[in-house]
Amino acid sequence: DSGVTQTPKHLITATGQRVTLRCSPRSGDLSVYWYQQSLDQGLQFLIQYYNGEERAKGNILERFSAQQFPDLHSELNLSSLELGDSALYFCASSGVLAGGEETQYFGPGTRLLVL
Amino acid sequence: GENVEQHPSTLSVQEGDSAVIKCTYSDSASNYFPWYKQELGKRPQLIIDIRSNVGEKKDQRIAVTLNKTAKHFSLHITETQPEDSAVYFCAAIIQGGKLIFGQGTELSVKP
Repeated sequence: DSGVTQTPKHLITATGQRVTLRCSPRSGDLSVYWYQQSLDQGLQFLIQYYNGEERAKGNILERFSAQQFPDLHSELNLSSLELGDSALYFCASSGVLAGGEETQYFGPGTRLLVL
Repeated sequence: GENVEQHPSTLSVQEGDSAVIKCTYSDSASNYFPWYKQELGKRPQLIIDIRSNVGEKKDQRIAVTLNKTAKHFSLHITETQPEDSAVYFCAAIIQGGKLIFGQGTELSVKP
């Protein structure tokens, strides 16, 4: 168990709908990252938040948005869903070690199926 | 641009043999290189990492080597066991903490 929690575990919805995925980081971690993993694909970085502020952006679609709240949990909002959005969505969190490097610990993921 | 290349994409070995997975990165400022193991449908789990101030790190049957000049790093698993079968991802961290992942290597260890 990494200490990162994600809800829900599974989500089935229809095209055009909107969903919200939730992530709670490890205790004390200030950074939260979101990744998308499609079938037979690698891990695609979507976005990073640090202490409530957006810090880095990857290949995140305009239909997707995220935020990090004062209690450091984060939500990823996916709207106008398309079949191709079906994937595993992972959240990871990290603290800051000496020297600035950051070890990321992944949550169990949310499996999204868009029908 | 920021890129991590990983080879091979699939690797099949006999139980007890060694397995080697190689990665190259493009950002010379990268200074932290983790390796993750992902079993089917589960989360990626950190198995070992290396920082740019060392050239090699070992943890039991797993070792990672880093060549900063050539910008490549490798994962070595010795005495492989069937439970080592999984997808392995290398990654390189760049400024700001963004992790760039390789494409993954599906390792199959045959009993």
